[in-house]
Amino acid sequence: DAKTTQPTSMDCAEGRAANLPCNHSTISGNEYVYWYRQIHSQGPQYIIHGLKNNETNEMASLIITEDRKSSTLILPHATLRDTAVYYCIVRARGSSNTGKLIFGQGTTLQVKP
Amino acid sequence: DAGVIQSPRHEVTEMGQEVTLRCKPISGHDYLFWYRQTMMRGLELLIYFNNNVPIDDSGMPEDRFSAKMPNASFSTLKIQPSEPRDSAVYFCASSPGQGGYTFGSGTRLTVV
Repeated sequence: DAKTTQPTSMDCAEGRAANLPCNHSTISGNEYVYWYRQIHSQGPQYIIHGLKNNETNEMASLIITEDRKSSTLILPHATLRDTAVYYCIVRARGSSNTGKLIFGQGTTLQVKP
Repeated sequence: DAGVIQSPRHEVTEMGQEVTLRCKPISGHDYLFWYRQTMMRGLELLIYFNNNVPIDDSGMPEDRFSAKMPNASFSTLKIQPSEPRDSAVYFCASSPGQGGYTFGSGTRLTVV
């Protein structure tokens, strides 16, 4: 699976949009981009995933560049409860999918009042 | 659905003792994963199962660790004998194979 690079930490003001970047320059054509977050002491929580089109759900939006070498997770109106470590992961899917999800160090997002 | 259920939530044991961690995955999920999390090493994948069969155990640190999945609704991770460096939070997760994983609340293990 391709390696990802994320900033170690970021701050965001409450009520503002939080934009979390991720670089995955070695991503392959069959690899998806997944985002998870981990709030202190809890298990990681799935947020969103995508292949090449932008995706949106009730939690966030995922913007993937046309060359797929980077992506941005957007939390449109960050709240204090969004303070967490955010993980960007690339993972192959398909009939031979091994199912493995490998976590890096992630980005610690601190939402401030 | 109650989600992925892990037990116990906390475990404190003495070095050399056997420790068994338990996991009940979400019904219908074909994949089950065991992860370990420490401050130094982050989240590490230990082993995962597909349809109750171990697929990849390359992350299991050593022979003291073993995992089983006797049926689709239950899995165990055993450490025998336990050592202080095994202290960590152990997470179980399950997945239907497509989409995201669902993680349990974890077991915080302390070996003294």
